[in-house]
Amino acid sequence: RKEVEQDPGPFNVPEGATVAFNCTYSNSASQSFFWYRQDCRKEPKLLMSVYSSGNEDGRFTAQLNRASQYISLLIRDSKLSDSATYLCVVGRNNRLAFGKGNQVVVIP
Amino acid sequence: EAQVTQNPRYLITVTGKKLTVTCSQNMNHEYMSWYRQDPGLGLRQIYYSMNVEVTDKGDVPEGYKVSRKEKRNFPLILESPSPNQTSLYFCASSQGFSYEQYFGPGTRLTVT
Repeated sequence: RKEVEQDPGPFNVPEGATVAFNCTYSNSASQSFFWYRQDCRKEPKLLMSVYSSGNEDGRFTAQLNRASQYISLLIRDSKLSDSATYLCVVGRNNRLAFGKGNQVVVIP
Repeated sequence: EAQVTQNPRYLITVTGKKLTVTCSQNMNHEYMSWYRQDPGLGLRQIYYSMNVEVTDKGDVPEGYKVSRKEKRNFPLILESPSPNQTSLYFCASSQGFSYEQYFGPGTRLTVT
C-alpha cells in the first residue's frame, strides 16, 4: 500500500462550484500534513498546513481525520485560477511522502 | 529575495557520464532535500539532509549521491547516469521536515 494515496482525477469543476477531495495515508505515526499546489510541472508551493482542529484560508478548508487516516481539501467558489494539481504531503521521521496529486480543472 | 536555485535547469546527457546538479538556498535553512517527479508516480524523495554533514536516504536513493559541506548548498551527484534517471528533479529547503518546503524551479534531466 502506498504511503499517501490520492485519486488523480481530473476533477472538472464549473466555475463558482465547490470541489472536495481526500487523501489517505497509511502510517498512523505520521506527524505533519500539508497541501501543496503545483502548476503544470512547475515547482510545488505550499497551499496550507493541516492541523487536527482543521483550518481555513479564504476559500480553502483543510481537515485532518487521524482516526480514519485521511486529510481533505475543500475549495469553495472555484476560480479559473484554481486550476492546478493539489498534492497531499505527509511527514514522518524527518521524511516527506507526496501523493500523486488531484488534478483540478475549473471550467468557465 | 528568499529563494532556492538549481543549476542547470535543463540537461541532456549520455549514459555513464557523471553529472552534478547544484542546489543553493539563501534562507539559512537546516533541512534540504532532493525529489524526482515522474508521470504517474508523483514526487519521490531521493535524499535529505538535516544539517551540515548529516544526510540520509529517502525513498529512491539508488544511483544518486549527495553532500552537505555547507549549509546553503546541497548538490545531487549522478556518478553513472542511466536512462531510467530521466526525470524532473526538484531541490527544496525548509526549517525542518514539518515546516513549509521551499522548492527550486526544477531541473529537467534527459539521459540517452
